Amino acid sequence: DVKVTQSSRYLVKRTGEKVFLECVQDMDHENMFWYRQDPGLGLRLIYFSYDVKMKEKGDIPEGYSVSREKKERFSLILESASTNQTSMYLCASKGGNQPQHFGDGTRLSIL
Amino acid sequence: EDQVTQSPEALRLQEGESSSLNCSYTVSGLRGLFWYRQDPGKGPEFLFTLYSAGEEKEKERLKATLTKKESFLHITAPKPEDSATYLCAVQVNNNNDMRFGAGTRLTVKP
Repeated sequence: DVKVTQSSRYLVKRTGEKVFLECVQDMDHENMFWYRQDPGLGLRLIYFSYDVKMKEKGDIPEGYSVSREKKERFSLILESASTNQTSMYLCASKGGNQPQHFGDGTRLSIL
Repeated sequence: EDQVTQSPEALRLQEGESSSLNCSYTVSGLRGLFWYRQDPGKGPEFLFTLYSAGEEKEKERLKATLTKKESFLHITAPKPEDSATYLCAVQVNNNNDMRFGAGTRLTVKP
């Protein structure tokens, strides 16, 4: 079974802080994704990566950046956290033509 | 613009009362339609992939069908443990672009 692990289930930070969300997958998948999930809006893609050091913007990249230095790890960075970034963040990985597999999410609160 | 719309937003059923969830889409170049189940506090769990109109997939009490404009997730004789949010997503054109619907929150009462 594919395992996607997100480092924190819950996180509370203050506005203006730099925030790091980490995601690790154990299936040697090429593709990794970061989404945010808000009530009534569904999942929205922030960034994805199709290889080490490669990244592509999704639908809502503003205020976020990503890092993929190793194939198994994909990090989401909030450069200067704001209250409108309070959300559930989901990481996913995907190999070849397989479906995306998700981690259990990080519920981030920005105060 | 690619869009995915799920209905109803919420559905309450009695145990054993069969029903269907709808996912309608307007996309260019559909490459696959996916159903996921999401329990509270968890990430989405993959259920089915459908690729072409007329295709059907089944798993226990769930059956997914696909037409050119929509997909249905039929739930036969549901049990309380089927309570969850069901998400529909479409993969369009390139291999990494997925569009998700907002989900249907299903509650099955004993």
